[in-house]
Amino acid sequence: KAGVTQTPRYLIKTRGQQVTLSCSPISGHRSVSWYQQTPGQGLQFLFEYFSETQRNKGNFPGRFSGRQFSNSRSEMNVSTLELGDSALYLCASSPGQGGVSTDTQYFGPGTRLTVL
Amino acid sequence: AQSVAQPEDQVNVAEGNPLTVKCTYSVSGNPYLFWYVQYPNRGLQFLLKYITGDNLVKGSYGFEAEFNKSQTSFHLKKPSALVSDSALYFCAVRDGLYGGATNKLIFGTGTLLAVQP
Repeated sequence: KAGVTQTPRYLIKTRGQQVTLSCSPISGHRSVSWYQQTPGQGLQFLFEYFSETQRNKGNFPGRFSGRQFSNSRSEMNVSTLELGDSALYLCASSPGQGGVSTDTQYFGPGTRLTVL
Repeated sequence: AQSVAQPEDQVNVAEGNPLTVKCTYSVSGNPYLFWYVQYPNRGLQFLLKYITGDNLVKGSYGFEAEFNKSQTSFHLKKPSALVSDSALYFCAVRDGLYGGATNKLIFGTGTLLAVQP
């Protein structure tokens, strides 16, 4: 099976702009999660979608939003970009199940966002 | 709250020697623990996980991890290090406090493994 794909791989934006990142999960996977990775804060959970519903959200401002489509592909959007939003944004997919999951999450290569 | 700690920012080891990357955890309930590796400009690659059962878990690329409940540790090990093992290693725990279904992972700060030839 093909792995998790993320587009674009690199983005350069300026403060105040908005950006949309895309993630295509492994075929058959229904759960998609997003993480932000920065040198200062490490890996931080943004949100998780399962069957088009957000079922968990991290401690990020409302400028960060996401959605999932019926084919399980997901997008995340960041509005009014700030310099501190510069990071590697990672998407992960897993088969998806109820309860506290024992599933393995498989990560994509990430989108490197630079805000100038 | 669920958490994991990686006490070493960097581990240096000579090629051919055994390596250990340390991880300790703090959880309520059953710990679901994971190890991932990240190479430069790449995403995270899954190495192994502990859910239940045997305390010694074998994973990809010759890595294994030992779950120790009394010491709340989940150290990553490899009997003989390779230069190509040089990368950033992350320990993670599944967040079980949400009260519902979740795949959320809580990551440690990462340990940079440097294997010298």
